[in-house]
Amino acid sequence: DIQMTQSPTSLSASVGDRVTITCRASQSIGEWVAWYQQKPGKAPKFLIYKASTLESGVPSRFSGSGSGTEFILTISSLQPDDFATYYCHQYNTYPTFGQGTKVEIK
Amino acid sequence: EMQVVESGGVLVQPGGSLRLSCAASGFTFRNYWMHWVRQAPGKGLVWVSRINPDGRDRIYADSVRGRFTISRDNAENTLYLQMTNLRAEDTSLYYCAIQGGSGWYVYWGQGTLVTVSS
Repeated sequence: DIQMTQSPTSLSASVGDRVTITCRASQSIGEWVAWYQQKPGKAPKFLIYKASTLESGVPSRFSGSGSGTEFILTISSLQPDDFATYYCHQYNTYPTFGQGTKVEIK
Repeated sequence: EMQVVESGGVLVQPGGSLRLSCAASGFTFRNYWMHWVRQAPGKGLVWVSRINPDGRDRIYADSVRGRFTISRDNAENTLYLQMTNLRAEDTSLYYCAIQGGSGWYVYWGQGTLVTVSS
């Protein structure tokens, strides 16, 4: 199975901060990566697919980049609604997820 | 609007069996690949199984292969997960997810909780 190593596990940030979350794949997976946001007690919400394509309706402060083995989710200016846990997901082969990154208020 | 609603989660003893259901609406169910993903309390997301639109192509995570069976009824717009020989480590919230395009999940249900305990 392809392992997705996500970092950091958690981070504290303030409203307006730029936040980056990284996922590293154990082997090259092209651009077959998606990102999700999950709030406590809620189902994951789809944000980005094919590493960098924003789902319709997702705010433009979210962006994704990367290919091969390294992928990055960036929130350009953190908003109060963005405090949540974020997961990367590779769908190149049998699907796997990163461990999650909890974004907390500083 | 796409919607999926999971049901069937309960408290079950180790070694027991259970069938989860996922009722779909708001989209043409028979055209979509569907997945089950689970999340243990306080933990991350773990993919469980996937089925293609006509139900003939099914794959499973190593941890459930041979114990779980995914199926679908396109006439009833329903996805299923038959779970047997349940273990404590199967305790999780089980999500039904709709696959978009090449493999991402465009929409998730709210999940159904399976607890395996004596």
